[in-house]
Amino acid sequence: GAGVSQSPRYKVAKRGQDVALRCDPISGHVSLFWYQQALGQGPEFLTYFQNEAQLDKSGLPSDRFFAERPEGSVSTLKIQRTQQEDSAVYLCASSFLPGGPLHFGNGTRLTVT
Amino acid sequence: ILNVEQSPQSLHVQEGDSTNFTCSFPSSNFYALHWYRWETAKSPEALFVMTLNGDEKKKGRISATLNTKEGYSYLYIKGSQPEDSATYLCASSPLVFGKGTRLSVIA
Repeated sequence: GAGVSQSPRYKVAKRGQDVALRCDPISGHVSLFWYQQALGQGPEFLTYFQNEAQLDKSGLPSDRFFAERPEGSVSTLKIQRTQQEDSAVYLCASSFLPGGPLHFGNGTRLTVT
Repeated sequence: ILNVEQSPQSLHVQEGDSTNFTCSFPSSNFYALHWYRWETAKSPEALFVMTLNGDEKKKGRISATLNTKEGYSYLYIKGSQPEDSATYLCASSPLVFGKGTRLSVIA
């Protein structure tokens, strides 16, 4: 595709539900990042993939958060047993090479009620 | 996790004014410094990627400088226009973002 695509665009989940957020990076982009953005804050790093390898997951806030990129393209961020504090915009970004400029998706706005 | 600080948090300028803001980052283990422009309801858009100490980059009326030894970068906007209104984010390796500077240009 022409850009990074994220789905769904909006997700409302009841507390305790599991959610899965999808990111389709630009074809051929090696690096893929997930960020969480709370209202009024900058994006906060969650995790980083280089191809299918998850090289850094230090930003994942708890073991309820899990990300994968099994074939080195599409990535899924899964949040189990969602809590209200998980409400945020989840941004995915990819770059052709590590260290290169990021191309962002439009984000998924998650609201946990 | 590195701390990236941006200042000011927000800024209001009159159309035609020039302005600048700052990104501070730890200078140890520096890899690259990125600037992004983020308009409301859109996704962040890359402005500059800088790697070398003393780098200066320019795109139209916007330019940026980099000092890796002291750990700061400046973003300059010359002759601000209303369409420059956005949040400007900087990020340092491993792509830790600052909270951004929200610029509002008043016509």
